[in-house]
Amino acid sequence: QSALTQPASVSGSPGQSITISCTGTSSDVGGFSKVSWYQHLPGNAPKLMIYDVDKRPSGLSNRFSGSKSGNTASLTISGLQAEDEADYYCSSYTSSVTVVFGGGTKLTVL
Amino acid sequence: QVQLVQSGSELKEPGASVKVSCKASGYTFGTYAMNWVRQAPGQGLEWMGWINTNTGNPAYAQGFTGRFVFSVDPSVSTAYLQINSLNAEDTAVYYCARDCHGCIAFDYWGQGTLVTVSS
Repeated sequence: QSALTQPASVSGSPGQSITISCTGTSSDVGGFSKVSWYQHLPGNAPKLMIYDVDKRPSGLSNRFSGSKSGNTASLTISGLQAEDEADYYCSSYTSSVTVVFGGGTKLTVL
Repeated sequence: QVQLVQSGSELKEPGASVKVSCKASGYTFGTYAMNWVRQAPGQGLEWMGWINTNTGNPAYAQGFTGRFVFSVDPSVSTAYLQINSLNAEDTAVYYCARDCHGCIAFDYWGQGTLVTVSS
């Protein structure tokens, strides 16, 4: 199972919105509504930000939103803040009854 | 509150074995599956597989069969990852992560255990 495709890096200024894409196939992202997104700060445990494509865990800021179209899922962060600077990973359930992660995207807040 | 606390860093020689523990608290251990995720130096997250904490039945991702063993001890609410015949490519941070009840997403993570394989 190949890793999902994410851009290596994205950047934005405080207050702006950014979108991170996550491209898979019909055997993973396109075939199931089981896409998740994680925020990972170096030295910390990853944090669940979005699950089931567009659901936010309780208490999470609504600045984070998820969506999917075909084989590509997206994470949008609005009102960018310095504290959002981190690595972001998508993941998806697959037709092989496995989970596959994306390669990760480094978000830089300028 | 839910917590997953992993054992500390390990330094092992090639060919040795290591057993990483993940102690759960704050919830009923057997009602949530436990996953294992690897992050090699400078690399992304990689799903290793999962274990049914009620039955102890494991499932391994491709590339993690043979030398990798998942197990649980429900009496102490702990999941284990054992890696046999270690080699330098096994050097990584290993995370345990709880599945959020069938949503195929990981809502709580351990702090990670660094395993270094070096002679």
